[in-house]
Amino acid sequence: QLQLQESGPGLVKSSETLSLTCTISGGAIRSDGYYWGWIRQPPGKGLEWIGTIYYSGSTYYNPSLKSRVTISVDTSKNQFSLKLSSVTAADTAVFYCVRLKSSAMVTIDHWGQGTLVTVSS
Amino acid sequence: QSALTQPASVSGSPGQSITISCTGTSSDVGSYNLVSWYQQHPDKAPKLMIYDVSQRPSGVPDRFSGSKSGNTASLTISGLQAEDEADYFCCSHGGSNTRAVFGGGTKLTVL
Repeated sequence: QLQLQESGPGLVKSSETLSLTCTISGGAIRSDGYYWGWIRQPPGKGLEWIGTIYYSGSTYYNPSLKSRVTISVDTSKNQFSLKLSSVTAADTAVFYCVRLKSSAMVTIDHWGQGTLVTVSS
Repeated sequence: QSALTQPASVSGSPGQSITISCTGTSSDVGSYNLVSWYQQHPDKAPKLMIYDVSQRPSGVPDRFSGSKSGNTASLTISGLQAEDEADYFCCSHGGSNTRAVFGGGTKLTVL
């Protein structure tokens, strides 16, 4: 059974870079037709797509975050990672790593449990 | 502001049917049959309930159905049950740049 697990600091200082890693178990990151990505949800608010990566390294980012986001993949470790630079309090959110079916990136069939990242001043 | 518009809340009694709307534009919902719906219980990760407008993943009860007309997609839950009480989010393909856009979410209360 495929499982995704986020890891990384739960507290990041304002203006610094948020870094998270997603470890995949029960399946391979090198799965044809499946993409891997990050979704965030500020406390009490809705969902926001951050970006997506294919195991080949192709990336797709939300235009509103593109200048601050980097998503990378490490196929040897079956992991992918998120870096979000120059964070502010508005970036405080639960971050989910996810698996997406197809390049349309609308069908998210597996979610990690989520990890809360708080940006402090 | 969310890209897709959903009602903030809907409610219904057990056994009744409810419909949640998700309104976008001709650039997203109206252009693609690529709308998905997610159910989220408090402090839990979302769960895929509908994809490609009207397709149900295995394990999702057939009480859940999806449809689309023009720029508006809809999720209908028939035979409401207490465990259906949750937040529901829609998501649409937004084109080559904005791949995925979400609605603001709808809180379903089962009275």
